[in-house]
Amino acid sequence: QQQVKQSPQSLIVQKGGISIINCAYENTAFDYFPWYQQFPGKGPALLIAIRPDVSEKKEGRFTISFNKSAKQFSLHIMDSQPGDSATYFCAASLHPNFGNEKLTFGTGTRLTIIP
Amino acid sequence: DSGVTQTPKHLITATGQRVTLRCSPRSGDLSVYWYQQSLDQGLQFLIQYYNGEERAKGNILERFSAQQFPDLHSELNLSSLELGDSALYFCASSAGLAGDNEQFFGPGTRLTVL
Repeated sequence: QQQVKQSPQSLIVQKGGISIINCAYENTAFDYFPWYQQFPGKGPALLIAIRPDVSEKKEGRFTISFNKSAKQFSLHIMDSQPGDSATYFCAASLHPNFGNEKLTFGTGTRLTIIP
Repeated sequence: DSGVTQTPKHLITATGQRVTLRCSPRSGDLSVYWYQQSLDQGLQFLIQYYNGEERAKGNILERFSAQQFPDLHSELNLSSLELGDSALYFCASSAGLAGDNEQFFGPGTRLTVL
């Protein structure tokens, strides 16, 4: 019930296209849903995050869509650029009232943007 | 740069040995988290400290231990090392126990056990 399932495992998108990565969760107590971007040899970097009381959040070219009833959320990268090529992780965490704020991560999506 | 620092960057050691990984959180952050990243297990939560106290434990082996010191830096101790402990170890920090819980990750320590 603590799992977060992420798909696809890898994704190739043409420059200028839209990259879409999907995640699904089981635990309805999850309260916070961030996306992280990781380049080889680096630590994960927080990209954008959403709370379940909002259905969409946009920051620049990055948008999170959140469907509470379906227990799914997705990352959309508009106008994808070669510099976006990285591994993307979705994650979820419980409200602090549950006694911990650990992140449960999806398995990651390796995104490659081709010219 | 996230503001979280980790040392050393790389560590190569032998089976059966003990190592210590060090993390300094972002200035003002009270919570420190340790995560392990391996090819087969992905990013796994190990342990969380908040203001010097252990707050949550994840899939941390009994051979592993951690602590957070009064200056809020944290150390992860790994002992009786096995080949399977080879992985990237990340430290993350967050301001406290806020609902948004933005966690910022350090650059990691790559541990290789030979």
